[in-house]
Amino acid sequence: DGGITQSPKYLFRKEGQNVTLSCEQNLNHDAMYWYRQDPGQGLRLIYYSQIVNDFQKGDIAEGYSVSREKKESFPLTVTSAQKNPTAFYLCASSDSGIVGNQPQHFGDGTRLSIL
Amino acid sequence: AQSVSQHNHHVILSEAASLELGCNYSYGGTVNLFWYVQYPGQHLQLLLKYFSGDPLVKGIKGFEAEFIKSKFSFNLRKPSVQWSDTAEYFCAVNARGKLIFGTGTLLAVQP
Repeated sequence: DGGITQSPKYLFRKEGQNVTLSCEQNLNHDAMYWYRQDPGQGLRLIYYSQIVNDFQKGDIAEGYSVSREKKESFPLTVTSAQKNPTAFYLCASSDSGIVGNQPQHFGDGTRLSIL
Repeated sequence: AQSVSQHNHHVILSEAASLELGCNYSYGGTVNLFWYVQYPGQHLQLLLKYFSGDPLVKGIKGFEAEFIKSKFSFNLRKPSVQWSDTAEYFCAVNARGKLIFGTGTLLAVQP
C-alpha cells in the first residue's frame, strides 16, 4: 500500500543533542512537508520541498534543517538551536502543482521529547 | 498575515445530533479550502476540499461544507453524527501557496 512512513514513533533525546526524524513516501509525490503540531496551535509549517534538491522555509524554520536528496525521503533534523523542540512532528506529501493546492497525505507522526 | 480561525475548540454531542463546525479565514485573494480529520490513533486525512464551482461541497462519511466568500467562512456540517465521528477536525486554507491550518476542533460524540 502506498503511504508515508515516519520513524520512529516516539523519540527521546537529551537537551543539546541534534536529532533526525525520518520521513519516507512511496506515493511518487514531488512535494513533501514537515509540520509541527502543538496542543491548541494546530499545524505549523516548518519546511517544504517541491522537488528533489530544493526546499523552502516555512513559518517556523528556526532551529530545524532538512535535506531532499531523494524523491522518497525528506528527513528533518531538530538542532540544539531549537528552543522548544518537544512536540509532535508530522510529515506530509502531495502531488506537484502549486504548493498547498494539492491535498496532502500525512504520516502517523513522531512524538519528540527532550529530556 | 493570513490566518485560520476555528472558534469551537471542544464540541460534545449526542449521537444523531446535527453538527456545524465554524471556520473563518483572513485572506482577500483566491483561496482553496480543506477540512482534514484525525481519528483517534490514526493519521490526518482529507475530509473534503473546495477549489472552485459549487460552494457546497460534499466529502466522505456524510460531511459537507459551504464556502461563503462574503463571510470568509467554510463551515463543516453533518446532519446526524455518529459515535465514530469522534475525532479532531482541522480547517485549512491555501493562500499564496502555503497551507495554513486552524487550531483544530475536538469533537466527542456520546453514544
